Amino acid sequence: AQSVTQLGSHVSVSEGALVLLRCNYSSSVPPYLFWYVQYPNQGLQLLLKYTTGATLVKGINGFEAEFKKSETSFHLTKPSAHMSDAAEYFCAVSPQTGANNLFFGTGTRLTVIP
Amino acid sequence: KAGVTQTPRYLIKTRGQQVTLSCSPISGHRSVSWYQQTPGQGLQFLFEYFSETQRNKGNFPGRFSGRQFSNSRSEMNVSTLELGDSALYLCASRAGTEETQYFGPGTRLLVL
Repeated sequence: AQSVTQLGSHVSVSEGALVLLRCNYSSSVPPYLFWYVQYPNQGLQLLLKYTTGATLVKGINGFEAEFKKSETSFHLTKPSAHMSDAAEYFCAVSPQTGANNLFFGTGTRLTVIP
Repeated sequence: KAGVTQTPRYLIKTRGQQVTLSCSPISGHRSVSWYQQTPGQGLQFLFEYFSETQRNKGNFPGRFSGRQFSNSRSEMNVSTLELGDSALYLCASRAGTEETQYFGPGTRLLVL
């Protein structure tokens, strides 16, 4: 079975500060891991993904995430927050084999304070 | 390439009615998945279609159904609408067994 836990439903950071959004997963088989962002009244946009290989993955808009198998984590970071980063962020997991639909976390709403 | 498109973007229905939502995938993508997003339950997988066949199904009642056409466009239908069906319905497409799903803007359904 697959599940995702996102710690912190709301995170506030000052503009220019580090962004850290936490994601832990549970998967019975090797997973693919994803971060998606959702702006108001819009669908989900892929930020980055981990499939295989390098455990530090870089995505769009300066975001990156590191897959840590020993910690079953896939935290999302950005060195310097921008006002345009304010949105809801979803971590998702899918198994690499079999039915590979996405299992989502409950989301983290990021507020950027000017 | 054009992205995933969904129509309509907004719908208002009353309890007991039925509704059909449409999704056109990215050109060349043969897999279409549907997800329901609500404040209470979050994002939940409904079903996936590939080459006109349902390949995977989530844990939703039989009132939720879907189909896919030969051009990969997909529709989902909800019959006998309930208030709890009010949600944002998201469609996602991918190429075959590729791991990445690309989402459309969603259809927001309000059931009164």
